[in-house]
Amino acid sequence: DSGVTQTPKHLITATGQRVTLRCSPRSGDLSVYWYQQSLDQGLQFLIQYYNGEERAKGNILERFSAQQFPDLHSELNLSSLELGDSALYFCASSALGERETQYFGPGTRLLVL
Amino acid sequence: AQKVTQAQTEISVVEKEDVTLDCVYETRDTTYYLFWYKQPPSGELVFLIRRNSFDEQNEISGRYSWNFQKSTSSFNFTITASQVVDSAVYFCALSGGDNAGNMLTFGGGTRLMVKP
Repeated sequence: DSGVTQTPKHLITATGQRVTLRCSPRSGDLSVYWYQQSLDQGLQFLIQYYNGEERAKGNILERFSAQQFPDLHSELNLSSLELGDSALYFCASSALGERETQYFGPGTRLLVL
Repeated sequence: AQKVTQAQTEISVVEKEDVTLDCVYETRDTTYYLFWYKQPPSGELVFLIRRNSFDEQNEISGRYSWNFQKSTSSFNFTITASQVVDSAVYFCALSGGDNAGNMLTFGGGTRLMVKP
């Protein structure tokens, strides 16, 4: 158990809908990262937050957004969902130093029908 | 841009065999960090090992060992005396030390099947 929690574990929704994925980092970790794992794109970095502020952005679609709250939990919002958004979404966290190892949550498996 | 290549998409071994997973990386950063993660059939990503670019000492941890060679930009991972529980997808990953943020760039993964 990495100490990173993600909810829900599974999510099934329809095209055009909006969903919110939630992540709680390990105790004391200030950085939260979101990654998407799909069959065609592999594991891709989406976005990073550090102590509430956006720190780095990867291949995140404009339909997707994220935020980190004062209690350091993070949410990833996916809107206007398309079939191609079906994937495993991982959250990871790391300790104070940004060069610290990232520990991953169990992931949220999203299926868009 | 950073890139990680795992040329082996799938490896099959018999239990107790040693197996080496290859990883080649590209980066322009002078300081960087290399990782191996394991993804068992249950789906979670489990951290295994980490190596900093300024430390080329190779180590052994239990049945795991790794060979980091800066000259060839390779970071290979070896499992000694493989077990069925080692069956998983293994990912090599790279994060750069010179850039803002700490994003991981992953290779495509190597699926390891250990047969009894």
